[in-house]
Amino acid sequence: DAKTTQPPSMDCAEGRAANLPCNHSTISGNEYVYWYRQIHSQGPQYIIHGLKNNETNEMASLIITEDRKSSTLILPHATLRDTAVYYCIVRVASTSGTYKYIFGTGTRLKVLA
Amino acid sequence: DAGITQSPRHKVTETGTPVTLRCHQTENHRYMYWYRQDPGHGLRLIHYSYGVKDTDKGEVSDGYSVSRSKTEDFLLTLESATSSQTSVYFCAISDQISNQPQHFGDGTRLSIL
Repeated sequence: DAKTTQPPSMDCAEGRAANLPCNHSTISGNEYVYWYRQIHSQGPQYIIHGLKNNETNEMASLIITEDRKSSTLILPHATLRDTAVYYCIVRVASTSGTYKYIFGTGTRLKVLA
Repeated sequence: DAGITQSPRHKVTETGTPVTLRCHQTENHRYMYWYRQDPGHGLRLIHYSYGVKDTDKGEVSDGYSVSRSKTEDFLLTLESATSSQTSVYFCAISDQISNQPQHFGDGTRLSIL
């Protein structure tokens, strides 16, 4: 079962910040949060990841609450090309000692002109 | 973009026939993954590999087998395809060093009639 909960859909006006929330209340202390997006039927595209500190890169910012039970992905100036399904994923350890992603159903973000 | 090539990109076949999908990487990453994606769902892990000849099952492994005889290639086989295996299949790779993310291929669309 997915370890994350996201709203199924959101709209955002072009040029505005898009704030996508994610709940991961059962996250363990050493589990990272990853964000990906998927445009149409393309392969998921990596955006950003973090453990407990806020992170920023050229695509987005990731804000993780102090208790790590939720996070928010921020696209500072959304464009029409940001319309996609956004996945928040918690990476979990497997029995073989490796790590696996558990995908949920994501948030369908629609950027409106 | 990560050097991942999936082949074929599209395939239509009949129930009961064997099917093999190939994932080829040029990144020399240790870890490789096969996922499937169905309408209304996120990606679900089928099998993964953590080294040559080292593989393990994911959450939806029934009806699938994998092989990895060299670092760059990870094969997914449907021994006797069924209509329920009609899906889009994605391969991913990662190094899992310092929590580096997985990177995904462009997918194979498989239809089983």
